[in-house]
Amino acid sequence: AQTVTQSQPEMSVQEAETVTLSCTYDTSESDYYLFWYKQPPSRQMILVIRQEAYKQQNATENRFSVNFQKAAKSFSLKISDSQLGDAAMYFCASQNYQGGSEKLVFGKGTKLTVNP
Amino acid sequence: DAGVIQSPRHEVTEMGQEVTLRCKPISGHDYLFWYRQTMMRGLELLIYFNNNVPIDDSGMPEDRFSAKMPNASFSTLKIQPSEPRDSAVYFCASSLQPDRPGTDTQYFGPGTRLTVL
Repeated sequence: AQTVTQSQPEMSVQEAETVTLSCTYDTSESDYYLFWYKQPPSRQMILVIRQEAYKQQNATENRFSVNFQKAAKSFSLKISDSQLGDAAMYFCASQNYQGGSEKLVFGKGTKLTVNP
Repeated sequence: DAGVIQSPRHEVTEMGQEVTLRCKPISGHDYLFWYRQTMMRGLELLIYFNNNVPIDDSGMPEDRFSAKMPNASFSTLKIQPSEPRDSAVYFCASSLQPDRPGTDTQYFGPGTRLTVL
């Protein structure tokens, strides 16, 4: 079974600083995807970044980047130059790839506070 | 595109009543997912459809829950009878058939916050 663990229930960062959110996962599949979703107070789930497990290169999206350590089953999210609008719940998720779209398995989330 | 549309946004009902949540996926998407979010259990999949056919309903908690997708543009999640422990935020998400990596990203609706008194 897939599992996703986020060990930091809450994190805080000063505006313009860098913060890293941790995530570990477990899956028996060899082909899978990993995601970070952001959920602001509006509760809309917004995709931040995704990583294909077969790719060694870490994904980046503007100020957001990941550190994907496949052997360690670790998938952390780094937010650079933090902005007030980054404050939200962040969920790490995994998805097995078996030829079709599959369910996402989510971690419990990390609440990020950005201090001005 | 308007994105995934869910209605109602908020629902308050009394225990024992029937509740119907609605979802309109993004036009052209092949997959539709229903997730539930609670403080205790986090986000968990209830059921998902591919081309209107239920593929995996192992997350549906019990027989009080049922989901249908009569056509490609509409799905319902029904709870009958509702109980206080069903109080949660229910999300609908849709995605394309993944013909290449990245095309099956799931896009979420705004959710329905259900409160059962």
